[in-house]
Amino acid sequence: QVQLQESGPGLVKPSETLSLTCAVSGYSISSGYYWGWIRQPPGKGLEWIGSIYHSGSTYYNPSLKSRVTISVDTSKNQFSLKLSSVTAADTAVYYCARQFTWSDAFDIWGQGTMVTVSS
Amino acid sequence: QSVLTQPPSVSEAPRQRVTISCSGSSSNIGNNAVNWYQQLPGKAPKLLIYYDDLLPSGVSDRFSGSKSGTSASLAISGLQSEDEADYYCAAWDDSLNGYVFGTGTKVTVL
Repeated sequence: QVQLQESGPGLVKPSETLSLTCAVSGYSISSGYYWGWIRQPPGKGLEWIGSIYHSGSTYYNPSLKSRVTISVDTSKNQFSLKLSSVTAADTAVYYCARQFTWSDAFDIWGQGTMVTVSS
Repeated sequence: QSVLTQPPSVSEAPRQRVTISCSGSSSNIGNNAVNWYQQLPGKAPKLLIYYDDLLPSGVSDRFSGSKSGTSASLAISGLQSEDEADYYCAAWDDSLNGYVFGTGTKVTVL
């Protein structure tokens, strides 16, 4: 069965870059689907960050676009998120998920990883 | 604030039916598919409904989705204690050029 697992530092300092990786098992990223990142600040709702296709085509949330980079490594069957110049407002649980197409539903989610921005 | 508006909370007794509304506009619900997610406490969201009214494999048929114009609804029939969760609608927004989630609704089983 398809599984996604996020990994990365749980604590990032303000103004630095947040970096997370999502390892995919049970399915080859190169076979299709889009792959995305969603976050959820403590006690708040969900926010889409962006999505990527195995070819490298990306779609970003316009409100975060200037700070976000999503990349894919098909050889390792994983994709990554970089969010630069972080502030306390970027503190959240970050989820990776599989997406039907760039504008469609996320059908399989990782368990999420908490990232705190603090000095 | 999200462009998809949901009631903050709904509650109902066991075995009853609840409906959660999701209000949007012509740039999102009116022109694109609506999806619904269930988030149990402390867990990752789970896809409940896609393409307005389709159920993914394994999702109970007590859940159903519908859409009319710029609004969508999620209905839960035969309410059970295990249905206590947060529910989010979502859709692509052509104006914002992004995938947007609703404000979320907390369902409480009395």
